[in-house]
Parts: sequence; structure tokens; C-alpha cells
Amino acid sequence: AQTVTQSQPEMSVQEAETVTLSCTYDTSESDYYLFWYKQPPSRQMILVIRQEAYKQQNATENRFSVNFQKAAKSFSLKISDSQLGDAAMYFCAYRSVSGTYKYIFGTGTRLKVLA
Amino acid sequence: DTAVSQTPKYLVTQMGNDKSIKCEQNLGHDTMYWYKQDSKKFLKIMFSYNNKELIINETVPNRFSPKSPDKAHLNLHINSLELGDSAVYFCASSHSGSLAKNIQYFGAGTRLSVL
Repeated sequence: AQTVTQSQPEMSVQEAETVTLSCTYDTSESDYYLFWYKQPPSRQMILVIRQEAYKQQNATENRFSVNFQKAAKSFSLKISDSQLGDAAMYFCAYRSVSGTYKYIFGTGTRLKVLA
Repeated sequence: DTAVSQTPKYLVTQMGNDKSIKCEQNLGHDTMYWYKQDSKKFLKIMFSYNNKELIINETVPNRFSPKSPDKAHLNLHINSLELGDSAVYFCASSHSGSLAKNIQYFGAGTRLSVL
């Protein structure tokens, strides 16, 4: 069975600085999808970024980028020029290409942004 | 227009009562999900329906019964509510097609408090 691990329960970053959130996963599959979701205090789950495992190029969305290391099964999220609005819980998620369309979430990392 | 809407947003009830949470999506997705998020923010899949058919049924007490009248709706009925059922329940939807981006869209959550 697949698992997703976020080893950092909490991280802090100064405003305008860069922070990297870690995510590792375990799977025997070769093709899958990886996601980062953000959950601010409003509790709405918002997609931050998405990566397809067959693509070697790291996904980027404005200030958000990933470092996808398929062999190491690592999928970290880098937030550049951190803003106060980035403060939230961040969840890493995995989904198989096939099967029951099940998404597996990590336990989350709480990001604090310091002014 | 809200893509995934769930009602109610807040639900406060007594132990032993029966309650329902409703979810509707207007994204044309064919797969819908229910998640439970506990006080530690851990997000756990409960159920998933694909084209009105139950495809994921995790280890959930049978007091919880999902029902999907059509592809756009997935309701959750809970019988004999217990204190441990207090949590935030999220509805989500996605498209399972091979060309789909397989992004999951979430509702705003229903905070259930059992007294």
C-alpha cells in the first residue's frame, strides 16, 4: 500500500524568505500523480501544485515550485518570497493513475510566516 | 458559483441523534469523496463513489452511510452520533478520465460537534 510522509509537523519562515516543505512517499507503481494542497484557517482545501510522475520537469506555479526526485520518492515544496497569506497547513498527496482513484494524504505541515 | 458545495457548514447535535450532510458538485466530475479531518488535522478517506457506484469504503463504522443519487451529489448520513464523530467532514470531487488532470476539488467542510 502507498504511504505519504511529511516529517515536519511545523515550520516557520520570515516574510519574503524561502522555505521548503518535505514530503516522501512509498509506492511500487511507476506512474502516479503528486499534489500539494494548502489549508488556511478558513479550512478550505486549495490545490497549490500538481506533478505527474512521468514528467521529469519540476512543476512551478508562480512562487511555488517542487523538487521531484522520483528515485528517492521525494516531493518537496519550495515557497519563494513568503507572504503572510501563505500561512496554512500544507498537505502532500499521492494518487495512482489506475485503481480506485484514491488520494492518500500526508499528515500535514503547519507553516507559520513571521512578519 | 461554488464548484463543490456542502451543507451545512456547521452542525451541533446531541449524542445519539441522526444527521445528514449534503454535497453537490457542478464540475461535471464522475467521482466524489468523503473525508474526515480530526482535531490533529489528519485527513482520512471514508468513502468514494465513481458514477454513483461505491468504490472506496474504508474502515468506517456502519453508522455512516453514504448515498449518491446521481453523479453530482454525494450525501453522508450518520446514525447514533457519538462524541468521537466530532470532526470536520470534507466532500471532494475529481474526474477519473485518462485525460483528466485528476485534481481533487474540495468543499468548504462541515464542522460537526457532538455534545
